[in-house]
Amino acid sequence: SYELTQPPSVSVSPGQTASITCSGHRLRDKYVCWYQQKPGQSPVLVIYQNTKRPSGIPERFSGSNSGNTATLTIGGTQAMDEADYYCQAWDSSPMCLFGGGTKLIVL
Amino acid sequence: VQVVESGGGLVQPGGSLRLSCAASGFTFSTYAMSWVRQAPGKGLEWVSTLSGSGSVPYYVDSVKGRFTVSRDNSKNTLFLQMNSLRTEDTAVYYCARDSGGYSFDIWGQGTLVTVSS
Repeated sequence: SYELTQPPSVSVSPGQTASITCSGHRLRDKYVCWYQQKPGQSPVLVIYQNTKRPSGIPERFSGSNSGNTATLTIGGTQAMDEADYYCQAWDSSPMCLFGGGTKLIVL
Repeated sequence: VQVVESGGGLVQPGGSLRLSCAASGFTFSTYAMSWVRQAPGKGLEWVSTLSGSGSVPYYVDSVKGRFTVSRDNSKNTLFLQMNSLRTEDTAVYYCARDSGGYSFDIWGQGTLVTVSS
């Protein structure tokens, strides 16, 4: 079965760039999106169709997808960006898949 | 634009529960809708998606034959009938709108389902 793999945690200093990866076989052939989830809150869509930002999402959030890896990049990371981030894609079943999630630590 | 879940609670293993998701602020019938769950301290897991017309349901393998997704477009409401519940079904269940762009753009606040004796 298809799987999406994320690192359990990523650490970044305030003001620096954070990169969170999501890996899967030939992931470039799929649309990948990303969600931010803060403790006790519902997920929020921050990137869809690999690179697009929904309205209201800051420009410091960007996405890419190439080869077997999709990447969420947060430029100029702020303390408020500390959260869990999940990648998501659909396989051909169709079945919706989420990555295991990455805890972004801003320290 | 919002969706609001209800119907969660405590149920014994083998029992049943019906979740509802009331939508407002958008043309409900034109959007596929989904259920996504999150076990305590764990990640997100897709459960089911239903097309806008209600004719095409999809399920994760672990709930096939036990859960049934349906909708009433006249009442802007999505449902999840959960039968033969197991302890591993314990989770917060979120209702989410399928944006049409292979992602979920609107999420509810979630409703907690606890399966325990």
